[in-house]
Amino acid sequence: EADIYQTPRYLVIGTGKKITLECSQTMGHDKMYWYQQDPGMELHLIHYSYGVNSTEKGDLSSESTVSRIRTEHFPLTLESARPSHTSQYLCASSPGGYNEQFFGPGTRLTVL
Amino acid sequence: GNSVTQMEGPVTLSEEAFLTINCTYTATGYPSLFWYVQYPGEGLQLLLKATKADDKGSNKGFEATYRKETTSFHLEKGSVQVSDSAVYFCALSGYTGNQFYFGTGTSLTVIP
Repeated sequence: EADIYQTPRYLVIGTGKKITLECSQTMGHDKMYWYQQDPGMELHLIHYSYGVNSTEKGDLSSESTVSRIRTEHFPLTLESARPSHTSQYLCASSPGGYNEQFFGPGTRLTVL
Repeated sequence: GNSVTQMEGPVTLSEEAFLTINCTYTATGYPSLFWYVQYPGEGLQLLLKATKADDKGSNKGFEATYRKETTSFHLEKGSVQVSDSAVYFCALSGYTGNQFYFGTGTSLTVIP
């Protein structure tokens, strides 16, 4: 079944740790996105990719980095986590054009 | 530029009440329009969509009509249930891949 996956679903870590949030999709979509969702619900685009070896920063400045080595995989890395990184992170993919985005279940990150 | 303006919440309704969540947009060209729903602890799910003027999207008793003359895409449901309690996002997609814009979300609580 075509889907989009995120792991882990929940993560609690200490300040200064390096973490990678995983996102994979089986739909063959070229376009993938990372959003940060604040407690007030609003979504903020932090990274996107149009395809393999393509990555761009989004509207919200983020200290995270991403890579796109394979079409299906779009991991997000924080080199040194801080309490200000505590948030919900949502991954999405799309075939592009006027089509919708498909979302993963999200990763709830808490940095102590 | 493109943008989506969504009715602010939170909205609290009694079961079987009529629901309207307003959404207006600004866009160049002819975007596609979407409503997403987010249940607690989950990612966003596509609820319905419309791809051209006067199209009506519908799903699970929810409806929205793409009104180009009023640049609106209001979400309606005739009789809400407790299980409809969630956050609802209006969104639009232009043709270029990163032109996907979300409203700020409207929280709905339905009480028995």
